[in-house]
Amino acid sequence: KQEVTQIPAALSVPEGENLVLNCSFTDSAIYNLQWFRQDPGKGLTSLLLIQSSQREQTSGRLNASLDKSSGRSTLYIAASQPGDSATYLCAVRVTGNQFYFGTGTSLTVIP
Amino acid sequence: EAGVTQFPSHSVIEKGQTVTLRCDPISGHDNLYWYRRVMGKEIKFLLHFVKESKQDESGMPNNRFLAERTGGTYSTLKVQPAELEDSGVYFCASSQIGRGGFEQFFGPGTRLTVL
Repeated sequence: KQEVTQIPAALSVPEGENLVLNCSFTDSAIYNLQWFRQDPGKGLTSLLLIQSSQREQTSGRLNASLDKSSGRSTLYIAASQPGDSATYLCAVRVTGNQFYFGTGTSLTVIP
Repeated sequence: EAGVTQFPSHSVIEKGQTVTLRCDPISGHDNLYWYRRVMGKEIKFLLHFVKESKQDESGMPNNRFLAERTGGTYSTLKVQPAELEDSGVYFCASSQIGRGGFEQFFGPGTRLTVL
C-alpha cells in the first residue's frame, strides 16, 4: 500500500527566504505526482504536476523535482512571500487513477 | 472557465439523518473523483467515475455511502444514515481523459459535521 509522508509538518520562515518542502512515498510505481496548495477553508489549488518520466517542473517561483527511484519529491519556493502562507500537499497517482495524499506541510511566511 | 463546484459548503446534521452532497465537475471532464479528509488525517480517495460508470470504488468506507453520476455530468454522494465518524471535509475533483496527464482539479469541499 502506498504511503506518502511530508516533512516538516509545519514551517515558519521570514519573508524573502528560499525554502524546500519534502515529500516521500513508499512505492515507486507511480504515474505522476502533483503538488497542491490549500488555503484555510478553501479547496486545493494545483501547483505543479510531474509525470513519472520527468525530473522536474517549474512555474514562476516554484520548482518541483521528482526522484522516482528513491521515492522522493521536493517543492522549492524561491523568495518566499507572505501570500505563500498555506498548507502544501503532495499526492501521487498510482494504477487506476487513485491519488494518495500526504498530510501536508503548513507554511507561514513572516513579513 | 468555471472550476469544480460543490454544494453545500457546510452541512450540520444529526446522527442517523441523511445528507446528499453534490459535485459539478469542470465541463467536459469525464473523470470525477470523491475524496474525504477527516480531522487530523490525510485526504483519502473514495471513488472514481469515468462518465457515468464507477471505475473504482475501493475507498468507499461502507454501504452507508452511495455515489451516483447519472448522465455523466454532476455527481451526488449520499450518506444514509450518517454516523459521527462521517464528519470531515468531502472533496470532489475532476480531470480530462488523456489530457495533462490526468491533472486533477479540486472543488472547495463540503464540510460535514455529524452531531
